[in-house]
Amino acid sequence: GESVGLHLPTLSVQEGDNSIINCAYSNSASDYFIWYKQESGKGPQFIIDIRSNMDKRQGQRVTVLLNKTVKHLSLQIAATQPGDSAVYFCADRPPEYSSASKIIFGSGTRLSIRP
Amino acid sequence: KAGVTQTPRYLIKTRGQQVTLSCSPISGHRSVSWYQQTPGQGLQFLFEYFSETQRNKGNFPGRFSGRQFSNSRSEMNVSTLELGDSALYLCASSPGQGDSNQPQHFGDGTRLSIL
Repeated sequence: GESVGLHLPTLSVQEGDNSIINCAYSNSASDYFIWYKQESGKGPQFIIDIRSNMDKRQGQRVTVLLNKTVKHLSLQIAATQPGDSAVYFCADRPPEYSSASKIIFGSGTRLSIRP
Repeated sequence: KAGVTQTPRYLIKTRGQQVTLSCSPISGHRSVSWYQQTPGQGLQFLFEYFSETQRNKGNFPGRFSGRQFSNSRSEMNVSTLELGDSALYLCASSPGQGDSNQPQHFGDGTRLSIL
C-alpha cells in the first residue's frame, strides 16, 4: 500500500543551533528515501537521499539517518542559518514503483529560525 | 546545466475551461512526473512519462491528462476545470533509467487559480 511520511508541522530553532526534523514512514518495504526543501514560491529542492541498505548519509551541513527497525527517518542540519527557513518534506518510493519515479511525500515540517 | 522549466508561472482560469501546462526537463532526463500541491492535500502524484509513454498514474480523474514529446518535454492538460483544481502544479524530471535510485528535480511550478 501507499507509504506516507509523517511530520511534526512546525519546528522553531535558534540560529546557529542544530536542527533535527523527523519523519515516520509506514511501508517497511520502501527502499529509497529523499529529503526536499521548499522555500516560499519555489518548487521542492533536493537535499539528500538514502537507500535502505544504509543507515546514515552525510552531505554538506546535513545528515540523514534511517532507522528501518522503527521506520523512522531524520534530517539533521548543522549550524542552522536563516536561509534554512523552509518547509522540509521527506519522501519515499514504495518498492512496487522501483522501476518508475513515483514517490510519496509526507506532509512537511516548517522550519523557522529565531535570530 | 539548466534546471526544470515550467510555463506559465501563473494562470487564472474560470470553471469549465481547460488548461495546458508545459514542462521542459533537465537536459538528458527522460522521465517527467507531475504533482499537484495544495494546502489541504499536500503533494500528490499525478502521472509519470518516460520515452513518450505514461509509465505510472496517480488517483486523479480522467480530466487530468498528459503527454510527452520526443524531446522529453511534457505537457499536462486539465479539462472542465473545477474550483478544487486551484493548486500549484509541479513538474519533476529524472534520468529515468539505469540506477533507479536517482532523485527527481523539480521546477518552480505553475500556480493555477480557478475563479
